[in-house]
Amino acid sequence: QSALTQPASVSGSPGQSITISCTGTSSDVGSYNFVSWYQQHPGKAPKLMIYEGIKRPSGLSNRFSGSKSGNTASLTISGLQADDEADYYCCSYAGSTTWVFGGGTKVTVL
Amino acid sequence: QVQLVESGGGVVQPGRSLRLSCEASGFTFSDYGMHWVRQAPGKGLEWVAATSYDGSNKNHADSVKGRFAISRDNSKNTLYLQMNSLRAEDTAVYYCAKKTAGSSFNCPDYWGQGTLVTVSS
Repeated sequence: QSALTQPASVSGSPGQSITISCTGTSSDVGSYNFVSWYQQHPGKAPKLMIYEGIKRPSGLSNRFSGSKSGNTASLTISGLQADDEADYYCCSYAGSTTWVFGGGTKVTVL
Repeated sequence: QVQLVESGGGVVQPGRSLRLSCEASGFTFSDYGMHWVRQAPGKGLEWVAATSYDGSNKNHADSVKGRFAISRDNSKNTLYLQMNSLRAEDTAVYYCAKKTAGSSFNCPDYWGQGTLVTVSS
C-alpha cells in the first residue's frame, strides 16, 4: 500500500492552466477507473473535485477536469483563480477492498 | 444535505484505546459504504479503513490492521472506529467519509470535519 506519487508543488499565474499528475502502478491507477481528486484548504476537510477519473460532481466548475493514461491520472485546472490555491490529493482503488491516496500537491497561484 | 459529525478524539497514552464515532445525516446511511481516512499534522491523507453498506465487507490499511476495527450501526446512522494499542504515529485528524455513489470501489465524496487524536505520554 505505497502512496501514489504526486509532485510536491505546482504553480501558475491567474488565468493559466496547470496539470497535476498522480502516478501509481498496474495494481491501482493502471487497473481501475476509480480515481478521485480532492481540494483541501488549510484547516478544512477535503472536497471532492473529480471521481471515477473524469466525472465532476454536480455544480462543480468545469474548469476542473480529469484524465488517465496508463498508470498515471491527471487533474487539470484551467483559468486558474486565487481561490484554487490549496492542496490537492488523488485517491485510487487498489484492489482487495483497499484504497490509496497520493502524497499531495500544493498549488500556488502566483 | 449530507452531514458527517465525528466525535471521540482526544489525548491518549501510548498503548491505550479510543473509539471514534461518526454520526451521519442527510442521506440514507444504510445504502452507502463508508471510509475512515486520517491526516497526521502537516502531512497528507492516509486511507485507514472501509466498510460496505451493510458491514459485511470491510478492510483496514496494513498500518492499522490488527489494532483498529471499523464497524457500523445502521439503526443509529453511526460509523465507528475502535482503535487499540495506539502508537505515537497514530496521531492525526481522523475523517469519516461517505463512499461516492455508483460503485463500491469508489473513493469518498463527502467528508466530516474530522476529530483529532493525539497519542502522547
